[in-house]
Amino acid sequence: GAVVSQHPSWVICKSGTSVKIECRSLDFQATTMFWYRQFPKQSLMLMATSNEGSKATYEQGVEKDKFLINHASLTLSTLTVTSAHPEDSSFYICSAAPLGGADTQYFGPGTRLTVL
Amino acid sequence: AQSVTQLDSQVPVFEEAPVELRCNYSSSVSVYLFWYVQYPNQGLQLLLKYLSGSTLVKGINGFEAEFNKSQTSFHLRKPSVHISDTAEYFCAVIEGAQKLVFGQGTRLTINP
Repeated sequence: GAVVSQHPSWVICKSGTSVKIECRSLDFQATTMFWYRQFPKQSLMLMATSNEGSKATYEQGVEKDKFLINHASLTLSTLTVTSAHPEDSSFYICSAAPLGGADTQYFGPGTRLTVL
Repeated sequence: AQSVTQLDSQVPVFEEAPVELRCNYSSSVSVYLFWYVQYPNQGLQLLLKYLSGSTLVKGINGFEAEFNKSQTSFHLRKPSVHISDTAEYFCAVIEGAQKLVFGQGTRLTINP
């Protein structure tokens, strides 16, 4: 149980285009979902916290107009990287919290974004 | 704000040898601590967590960690490692604002 999927697992896009990444909780409902970013050989940095039906809360330094997060249902959250640039290339990982708290998060397998 | 320091960026050990991965955190009134493992190009898997109670926490895959409040440490140990334990290990703490803050990670390499 407690499986989180991400789609796509990897994506290559041209600079200036937008990319949407989906995060789904497959066998549970998630009140809260988290989006992280991980640069090569570095740690995970929280980008934003999203609660179903409300606006996401972004961490300091994360551009909310560039990284659009939608949490329309209890099993799906999406991250859209708008007007992507090479510096946005990274590994994006989502997690889902069935009880809404950060102490129980189930992580997705990640999406590797490469912007040419 | 909470912070987590993983003292070793890389730890090489021989197969079947014991290993300890070190983690220190900044002090706080109450602390929730976690260890996660990340295999190449994958997400994170929870190894164990300390929320309260016994300071010795046992996790999956034979790992355990001890919460030491006086030393503000939460070191991860395994008495005998296997090749399959090769991965990146992250220590993490929950901040009061209900978010996970991760350490820099320790790459564990098991040599045959």
